[in-house]
Amino acid sequence: DAGVIQSPRHEVTEMGQEVTLRCKPISGHDYLFWYRQTMMRGLELLIYFNNNVPIDDSGMPEDRFSAKMPNASFSTLKIQPSEPRDSAVYFCASSTTGQGNTGELFFGEGSRLTVL
Amino acid sequence: AQSVAQPEDQVNVAEGNPLTVKCTYSVSGNPYLFWYVQYPNRGLQFLLKYITGDNLVKGSYGFEAEFNKSQTSFHLKKPSALVSDSALYFCAVRSPYGNNRLAFGKGNQVVVIP
Repeated sequence: DAGVIQSPRHEVTEMGQEVTLRCKPISGHDYLFWYRQTMMRGLELLIYFNNNVPIDDSGMPEDRFSAKMPNASFSTLKIQPSEPRDSAVYFCASSTTGQGNTGELFFGEGSRLTVL
Repeated sequence: AQSVAQPEDQVNVAEGNPLTVKCTYSVSGNPYLFWYVQYPNRGLQFLLKYITGDNLVKGSYGFEAEFNKSQTSFHLKKPSALVSDSALYFCAVRSPYGNNRLAFGKGNQVVVIP
């Protein structure tokens, strides 16, 4: 398997613009997580899905952030409008506890967002 | 609620010396414990896990970790550090019940000095 695939790897945008980050989880994984990583706050869980259904979005910072998972192989994290303080690396991760798996997360390479 | 503490911000070690990265946890019931490593500009990579059984678990790149239930610890160790081990290390825990959500520590920067 190719692992968790995220796009874009790098995004530079101006304040006020809409940003969409994309994630393809590992095939067969039924959990998907979105994390944000910054120097100041470390690794933060934003939202996670189970079987395409959002389970906990309490980490989403504001209404400007939204996430969807229309099917088992695709998820998006959208920021509208973006602000400079949203600059961070956003990671997607997937996992499963099916078939004897123990739920360790597999991370993508991240999307580095810079909002000017 | 589950949580992890990684008390040190940075661990400096000379190449060839033993490396230890500390982790203590809090969780209801028996824990599932994990270590991840993050190299610059990369995602987190799974190193090893403890689920049940032998308290000493071995993982990738020569790393091992020891589960200590009485001290609620899961310290990561490597007998002889390499310069290439310089990275950010995260400990994580979850309960075997309920959802798959992991609680991560804040991470420890390991610097191996040549």
